[in-house]
Amino acid sequence: QVQLVQSGAEVKKPGASVKVSCKASGYNFRSYAIHWVRQAPGQSLEWMGWIDAGNGDTRLSQKFQDRVTLTRDTSANTANMELSSLRSEDTAMYYCARDYYGSGNNAFLFWGQGTMVIASS
Amino acid sequence: SFEMTQPLSVSVALGQTARIACEGNRIGNEIVHWYQQKPGQAPVLVIHRDTNRPSGIPERFSGANTGNTATLTISRVQAGDEADYYCQVLDSNTGWLFGGGTKLTVL
Repeated sequence: QVQLVQSGAEVKKPGASVKVSCKASGYNFRSYAIHWVRQAPGQSLEWMGWIDAGNGDTRLSQKFQDRVTLTRDTSANTANMELSSLRSEDTAMYYCARDYYGSGNNAFLFWGQGTMVIASS
Repeated sequence: SFEMTQPLSVSVALGQTARIACEGNRIGNEIVHWYQQKPGQAPVLVIHRDTNRPSGIPERFSGANTGNTATLTISRVQAGDEADYYCQVLDSNTGWLFGGGTKLTVL
């Protein structure tokens, strides 16, 4: 069965960077885009970007273009999201999610369990 | 960029029908997906491409999208359906957008 398992919670100081990983199993990793979505406490969902796990192409929300780097390691079936220059407003649950059909333009069918990131001095 | 509006909350009696709206200018021309999120859990896709249910989602969940309103309908509501529900659209300019979410309360 398809599983996305994310790395553990992080506490970082403002100005630091954080890297969240998402290890996939149960399907052909290279065939599906991986999306990243965050959710601040009590707030709605916010899409950050996606990566084509096959060729590594990315598309980022304009809001995060200067601070987010998406990568993938096909040998480890893992996608990574790095967010730099953290501020308190970045405190949120971060999710990875797999595209339904593959291309990045479809619904998000499978989700990771979430990684809590706290940015606090 | 495209904007969607959802009611903050919807209440429905057990066993009745709940309808959750997602409003946007000519949203009927867009493809809408719906997610259910229970407290402390990741979202779950319940409707994709306006009207389609993924495997494992009960037939009680259905979707429609026309004009300026997309609607998620939950028939014969159960206590376990109590959750937050989010609509989602892909905007060609700005990327993926989510509605503000609707809290469904089962009375």
